[in-house]
Order: sequence, then C-alpha cells, then structure tokens
Amino acid sequence: QSALTQPASESGSPGQSITISCTGTNSDVGGYNYVSWYQQHSGKAPKLMIFDVTSRPSGVSNRFSGSRSGNTASLTISGLQAEDEASYYCSSYRSGNTLIFGGGTRLTVL
Amino acid sequence: EVQLLESGGGLAQPGGSLRLSCAASGFTFTNYAMNWVRQAPGKGLEWVSALSGSGDTTYYADSVKGRFTISRDNSKNTLYLQMNSLRAEDSAVYYCAKSGSYHFYYFGLDVWGHGTTVTVSS
Repeated sequence: QSALTQPASESGSPGQSITISCTGTNSDVGGYNYVSWYQQHSGKAPKLMIFDVTSRPSGVSNRFSGSRSGNTASLTISGLQAEDEASYYCSSYRSGNTLIFGGGTRLTVL
Repeated sequence: EVQLLESGGGLAQPGGSLRLSCAASGFTFTNYAMNWVRQAPGKGLEWVSALSGSGDTTYYADSVKGRFTISRDNSKNTLYLQMNSLRAEDSAVYYCAKSGSYHFYYFGLDVWGHGTTVTVSS
C-alpha cells in the first residue's frame, strides 16, 4: 500500500502562512471526504488537527485549515508560531476499507 | 477525561508472538471504532488495523493481514492486537487510536494513546 505523497520538509518564519500538500488518487484523497491531518511533536503521540477534509476539532486553533482540489489535499497554517514546529501527516480513507497515511512533512519555524 | 493506555510491548524473536492491550476510559467504548497505528523508528505513521464498535467487523493493512488479529472486550473497555509470525519490520511504537465515529474512517482518529514499543530481534 503506497503512502500518500507529502513534501519531506517545509519552513516558514513566525507570522507567515504555510501550506502542506498531500497528493493521492481518486481511490483515496480525491474520491472520499475522509481526509485528516495530524500534528506530531517529537517523542509525542499524534494529535488530530483536521478531519473530513475541512473540519476542525474543538480546541484546535482556527489558524489551522484544510482544503482539497482534485486528488490533492492541503493543510494551511496561518500566523505561524514557534509551537507549530512539528511533523504533520495527512491520512485518507482508501477504497477497500483501509486508511492510508502520507509520509509526513517536517515543519521548521525559522 | 478520555484516555487510552497501551501495554504489552516488548522484545520478541522473529517468528514469535506478542499481544498488545489498550485500556480505554472516559467515553462509551462500544459507540466507537478503534484502531492500531504504528511508527517504526524515525519513520512515518502506518495504519495497521481497525475494528467496528460492536467488534463484528475487522479491517487490516496488507502488511499484517493473516498475521495480526484485532479484537475488543467491550465488558472491559479494552482493545487488543494479537501479533503472530513477527518480523523485524514489525518493530515500531504501536499506538491505539479512537475513531471519531462507529465507522473507523469517519471524523478522523481523535484520541491517541502514548504508544507501546515492540522490538522484533534475535
């Protein structure tokens, strides 16, 4: 099961906005409204940031937003803060009743 | 407070077995699908398996199908992962994760445990 494609790294300065992409196929990202994004700080468990493409769980900052165009989903973080430095993973339902994750993007706040 | 606490990790020999447990608290266990997700050292997340709220429907990644079995005891609010025929590539931190719905793919994985480490080596 091949992973969804994410850039290995992204960076930005405090206050800037950055966007992380997640590319799949019409059998996963493009075919179902079940894309999620997770934040993982080093040595910690992942945390759900976005679910069902665009929805944000209660307690997650509105600086985080999700979108999708065709087979590519995106996570945008606005007003970048030092605490946002972490790895970010997308995931999607894939036809055949599986979940698939992206390879992860390491975000550095300069 | 919603909590998941994994246990059962450790060292196993190639070809050996281990059983992981995940004790859940703070929510109505039977209302939600549950998952196992693993992360090899320095690598990304890999979904392993899921189980419906009732326990009657199971789902597996191809990499573990036929070797791992997911189950739950709703009377004990506990999720299990029986791992047989272990391989070196199964070495990872194994996380228990709650789905946001009775269906494993709805609403994301909204609660995660801290993980338990499995090492497969001779």
